Amino acid sequence: GAGVSQTPSNKVTEKGKYVELRCDPISGHTALYWYRQSLGQGPEFLIYFQGTGAADDSGLPNDRFFAVRPEGSVSTLKIQRTERGDSAVYLCASSPRGASGGLGTDTQYFGPGTRLTVL
Amino acid sequence: RKEVEQDPGPFNVPEGATVAFNCTYSNSASQSFFWYRQDCRKEPKLLMSVYSSGNEDGRFTAQLNRASQYISLLIRDSKLSDSATYLCVGGGGNKLTFGTGTQLKVEL
Repeated sequence: GAGVSQTPSNKVTEKGKYVELRCDPISGHTALYWYRQSLGQGPEFLIYFQGTGAADDSGLPNDRFFAVRPEGSVSTLKIQRTERGDSAVYLCASSPRGASGGLGTDTQYFGPGTRLTVL
Repeated sequence: RKEVEQDPGPFNVPEGATVAFNCTYSNSASQSFFWYRQDCRKEPKLLMSVYSSGNEDGRFTAQLNRASQYISLLIRDSKLSDSATYLCVGGGGNKLTFGTGTQLKVEL
């Protein structure tokens, strides 16, 4: 079946502009995650959705970053007033159940990412 | 100090060699552990989960030592196609915490 898809694959923008990054999770997966990966680093957690609600947004770096998942499927990560330091690969992942009540972390399947470059 | 630490490498090994990667984690509340593989400019893909009892998948063996907060990955009979970055990952609740990755280059 289809995996996680993300659009666009590449986005180049100018400092101060607004961008939206889209994620289509695997069909039927209730949990959706956003991560950010800078060059030479591992992915860093940004936000986790369980269904339509943001269950954990502790990784969002500041209030310029916002994400939504209005129907519990597709999610959009929104970045306002972009800065050069926002340049990174933004990865989306989904999992069937998400946090499973203390039993550990569900397997997460990653999309190909959106490479964001802020000039 | 990073929550998950691993040697970035690169580890350059000849084809057929055995190579071991280690990582340490600092969050004792982490419940699940994984090794992910990431090829250049691609997304991370789950290689295997890691259990205290140790687990093996073909040429790959992973081990977790909760007392020492230490995770290992052993690759036997390495292939050229094993060249990639290996990410050590701790999971607590809903999020994964990744190390910076260890780069492996398998050479002829």
